[in-house]
Amino acid sequence: AQKITQTQPGMFVQEKEAVTLDCTYDTSDQSYGLFWYKQPSSGEMIFLIYQGSYDEQNATEGRYSLNFQKARKSANLVISASQLGDSAMYFCAMTAGGYQKVTFGTGTKLQVIP
Amino acid sequence: DADVTQTPRNRITKTGKRIMLECSQTKGHDRMYWYRQDPGLGLRLIYYSFDVKDINKGEISDGYSVSRQAQAKFSLSLESAIPNQTALYFCATSITGTGELFFGEGSRLTVL
Repeated sequence: AQKITQTQPGMFVQEKEAVTLDCTYDTSDQSYGLFWYKQPSSGEMIFLIYQGSYDEQNATEGRYSLNFQKARKSANLVISASQLGDSAMYFCAMTAGGYQKVTFGTGTKLQVIP
Repeated sequence: DADVTQTPRNRITKTGKRIMLECSQTKGHDRMYWYRQDPGLGLRLIYYSFDVKDINKGEISDGYSVSRQAQAKFSLSLESAIPNQTALYFCATSITGTGELFFGEGSRLTVL
C-alpha cells in the first residue's frame, strides 16, 4: 500500500518570500512517482511538478522545485518568490505498484500575505 | 474546450435519488478515474478503469457504481444518494505508465 502524509493543514507566507510545503510518503515499491498539484479557490486541479524515484536531480519547474530526500521518504515542494496567485490548496500525491493508481495527501492550504 | 469534461458541474439532489455524473475526454487516454474530495481528507479514489472491459474498485467504492461506455466516456452513479456523499467529484485521465493525472473541472454534488 502507498501512503502520503501532509502535516501542515494551513500555512501563511509573505509575498516574495520562499515557502516549503511538507510531504512524506510510504511505499515498499522501488519504482514510484511523486507529484504536486495546486487547487485554487476556483476548484480545478493543476499539475505542478513530478519527481521519479530514480531521478537523481531534484525536479524544478519555474518557481517550483521538489526537494526529494529518498532516504527520509520526503518530497517537499518549495515555492520561491511567492505571489498572491499562489494562494491555494496544494496536494502531494504518489503513484507506485506499476503506476496504476495515484494516492493523494490531505492537502495544505497556503495563503500569501501582501 | 476542456480535454476532460464533467457534467453536471453542480447538482443538488435529495436523499434516495439516483444520480449520474458523466465524464468524457478527448485526450485519447486509456485510463480514467473517479475521485471524491472532502475538506480535510484530500482526494480519495472511488473507481478506475484501464479500458472498456477493465473496471476496478478504489478505496471508497461502496455506494457507487461506474460504467465505461467507450474509451472516452466514464460515468459514476450513486444508486441511492445519501447526505454523506455530498462532495466535490473529479474525473481524471492518465497515460499508461506515467501516473500523471489530467483532471476535469469537478462536479459539486449536494445531497439533502
